[in-house]
Amino acid sequence: EPEVTQTPSHQVTQMGQEVILRCVPISNHLYFYWYRQILGQKVEFLVSFYNNEISEKSEIFDDQFSVERPDGSNFTLKIRSTKLEDSAMYFCASRVAGGSFNEQFFGPGTRLTVL
Amino acid sequence: AQSVTQLGSHVSVSEGALVLLRCNYSSSVPPYLFWYVQYPNQGLQLLLKYTSAATLVKGINGFEAEFKKSETSFHLTKPSAHMSDAAEYFCAVSANAGGTSYGKLTFGQGTILTVHP
Repeated sequence: EPEVTQTPSHQVTQMGQEVILRCVPISNHLYFYWYRQILGQKVEFLVSFYNNEISEKSEIFDDQFSVERPDGSNFTLKIRSTKLEDSAMYFCASRVAGGSFNEQFFGPGTRLTVL
Repeated sequence: AQSVTQLGSHVSVSEGALVLLRCNYSSSVPPYLFWYVQYPNQGLQLLLKYTSAATLVKGINGFEAEFKKSETSFHLTKPSAHMSDAAEYFCAVSANAGGTSYGKLTFGQGTILTVHP
């Protein structure tokens, strides 16, 4: 069964460093998302990506964040200069074209720890 | 704007007992509603969804949920809990806004279900 994969599963970095979180969505999916969950808090929407551009982003997704689909398979989230408060579990998701009632398939997440 | 409230961050039941996980939503447009489950070290998996067809929705693993517009609720139930149901459960809402919605999900804070023998 197709699944969304994410690498690495755990990333430890120093404050101020750049990190890139990688995701491989399901191959025929056209909408891509990043969410994060700070320990003990809700899963929060960061950004959606469709047709090679950002379609919607949250207030969290400031200039320190960027997303890219560099080839036909990968979808990346870059944090330019990490802060302590960026420590969280980051989930990638994807879905097929069509209405927003279509299921989003989630990856297992990357746990980012900023020291 | 959308929001979701899950009542009870932890629910504990005995094996074989009824499972009831509560979810209330707020949405300025007709909602799509989802329940996801997360097992340890895994991603979120869809249990079921409401998409404005039948108000009683059946999902995987014997779970079901009923959409009640008057109560703005979408509670998740299972008649008889199994040990394998122990996990964290998330209720989420997406806007049914036609072409202006790209499907952003707004989640509740999650409910950890414990099942004891």
